[in-house]
Amino acid sequence: EPEVTQTPSHQVTQMGQEVILRCVPISNHLYFYWYRQILGQKVEFLVSFYNNEISEKSEIFDDQFSVERPDGSNFTLKIRSTKLEDSAMYFCASSEALALDTQYFGPGTRLTVL
Amino acid sequence: AQKITQTQPGMFVQEKEAVTLDCTYDTSDQSYGLFWYKQPSSGEMIFLIYQGSYDEQNATEGRYSLNIQKARKSANLVISGSQLGDSAMYFCAMREASGGYQKVTFGTGTKLQVIP
Repeated sequence: EPEVTQTPSHQVTQMGQEVILRCVPISNHLYFYWYRQILGQKVEFLVSFYNNEISEKSEIFDDQFSVERPDGSNFTLKIRSTKLEDSAMYFCASSEALALDTQYFGPGTRLTVL
Repeated sequence: AQKITQTQPGMFVQEKEAVTLDCTYDTSDQSYGLFWYKQPSSGEMIFLIYQGSYDEQNATEGRYSLNIQKARKSANLVISGSQLGDSAMYFCAMREASGGYQKVTFGTGTKLQVIP
């Protein structure tokens, strides 16, 4: 069964460093998303991406964040200068179509900022 | 107001018994979708079940069933025949038409523990 994959599973970085989290969505899916979950809290929407551009973003997704689809398979989230409060689990998700379709989540990348 | 409310932070259930996890939702949209996801201790988010606002019958997927009561705006998950592997966090979530269907809004979750 096709699935969303994410690498790395765990990333440790120093405050102020740039990190890139990688995702490979399900191959026939057209819509891609990033969510984050701070430890012990609920999952929060960051951004959605379609047709090579951001279609919606939350207030969390500030100028420190960017997303990109550098090729036909990868979807990346870049955090330009990490802060301690960026420590969280980051989930990539994808869906085949937009309207009420199920979003399938990857296994997540646990980001730890020291 | 919270879009998704899960009032049970933790639940216990005996193995092989059925359990109902509560969820209420708040939306003024006519078109929306309701989801449940499972998050085991390993951290991944596993899709369990979905039902759209226009679906006539409540959804069923194996041991999972969704009990939606629109008048009460409740979307409870029923797990029948609980198994030890069902121990996990369970999140109720919603997509709304007014959000352009872009994002899924999650509740705070219910931690289910299955007792042998």
